[in-house]
Amino acid sequence: DTAVSQTPKYLVTQMGNDKSIKCEQNLGHDTMYWYKQDSKKFLKIMFSYNNKELIINETVPNRFSPKSPDKAHLNLHINSLELGDSAVYFCATGGPSALSNEQFFGPGTRLTVL
Amino acid sequence: SQQGEEDPQALSIQEGENATMNCSYKTSINNLQWYRQNSGRGLVHLILIRSNEREKHSGRLRVTLDTSKKSSSLLITASRAADTASYFCATVGRGAQKLVFGQGTRLTINP
Repeated sequence: DTAVSQTPKYLVTQMGNDKSIKCEQNLGHDTMYWYKQDSKKFLKIMFSYNNKELIINETVPNRFSPKSPDKAHLNLHINSLELGDSAVYFCATGGPSALSNEQFFGPGTRLTVL
Repeated sequence: SQQGEEDPQALSIQEGENATMNCSYKTSINNLQWYRQNSGRGLVHLILIRSNEREKHSGRLRVTLDTSKKSSSLLITASRAADTASYFCATVGRGAQKLVFGQGTRLTINP
């Protein structure tokens, strides 16, 4: 079983559309993250949730809204997509004392906004 | 900013040689982690080294940490073609709640 899964793997859409990316983990971890990796491979945290509660919001535009229906899921909804939103989005999880231990990453969702 | 900087940005070596990548950061850390990313894939954790540790090994990987210089190195010995990937260091600052990644080193192992 895949520990952290994301859907879809690829997403191509027009500017102005609204889209969602889903993430599920079966590791039983409390903490989940969304990262954005740009075309230069720079990886930056966007959000973190601990047990469905928002912990970090890294000055991400409010067009981006994460939602955690339960501990195993953290979805990312993006409104009014812009060209600059094109990137690879990674979901990740961390166990107890998440930052003192490794994080487990999903395979990524490549978003292309035309 | 806590962001790490990695050096070199790209490294190309022959199979069997050793590869060394360096990471520098700016503020005090709780720990430093190295991750590997194969093309088109997610990141995979390699090693975590805590601020009170100076060296750690895992198989062909050796990581050092010098907190006085705010730097770390990742050594891969006896490289293999399958080691071709991007390698990222990431730091957790003291009291921080997030991992901050460097920009990575693109390693190519030539057969």
